[in-house]
Amino acid sequence: DIVMTQSPLSLPVTPGEPASISCRSSQSLLHINGHNCLTWYLKKPGKSPEVLIYLGSNRTSGVPDRFSGSGSGTDFTLKISRVEAEDVGIYYCMQTLQNPLTFGPGTKVDIK
Amino acid sequence: VQVVESGGGVVQPGKSLTLSCAASGFVFNNYGIHWVRQAPGKGLEWVAIIWYDGQNKFYAESVRGRFAISRDDSRNTVYLEMNSLRDEDTAIYYCARANGCSSGVCSDWLDPWGQGTLVTVSS
Repeated sequence: DIVMTQSPLSLPVTPGEPASISCRSSQSLLHINGHNCLTWYLKKPGKSPEVLIYLGSNRTSGVPDRFSGSGSGTDFTLKISRVEAEDVGIYYCMQTLQNPLTFGPGTKVDIK
Repeated sequence: VQVVESGGGVVQPGKSLTLSCAASGFVFNNYGIHWVRQAPGKGLEWVAIIWYDGQNKFYAESVRGRFAISRDDSRNTVYLEMNSLRDEDTAIYYCARANGCSSGVCSDWLDPWGQGTLVTVSS
């Protein structure tokens, strides 16, 4: 199974400031078709998870452009250019290269 | 476009329970459906997937042999039959639609997600 790790596990942020979360996989998520099979989700308290980024860097419809995803192979990053109060929650990366799909442990983002 | 879970509840260890995921707003038999769970105080754990055609099913190691996923396209519903339940199966269970097919998993992203249904395994 592909093991996903994230850092940091806790990230206090200041509204208006940037934030960055790292995600690493135990093997490359780069498919032979050139796509990186990595998705980012945000789970807000009491809500269902929502997808932010798929295939490493593609924002899904409705996701604010302050969210961006980058990286390739085994190292990926989610960046928030200017954090807003509504961005608090737990961010998870997930690999979609092979079954079983696996999530990272999550990064808890809260306001300082 | 939505999916709605039902069937959660309190069940004794070793017993069985079946969850349902009812879909609406999209052509159901064009999409695979996943189950993902979150135990109290824990992170997200992928559980199972059934492909759009019902022919391919995959399970997490932790549930393989105990859980069975199936679909009824006439009812736009996916089921998760859970047998030999254990304390560690206690969790909120979410179903979610699979989108995209850039790899053999054909699940580039999961969306939408349901609101979840709580399963508590306790004597």
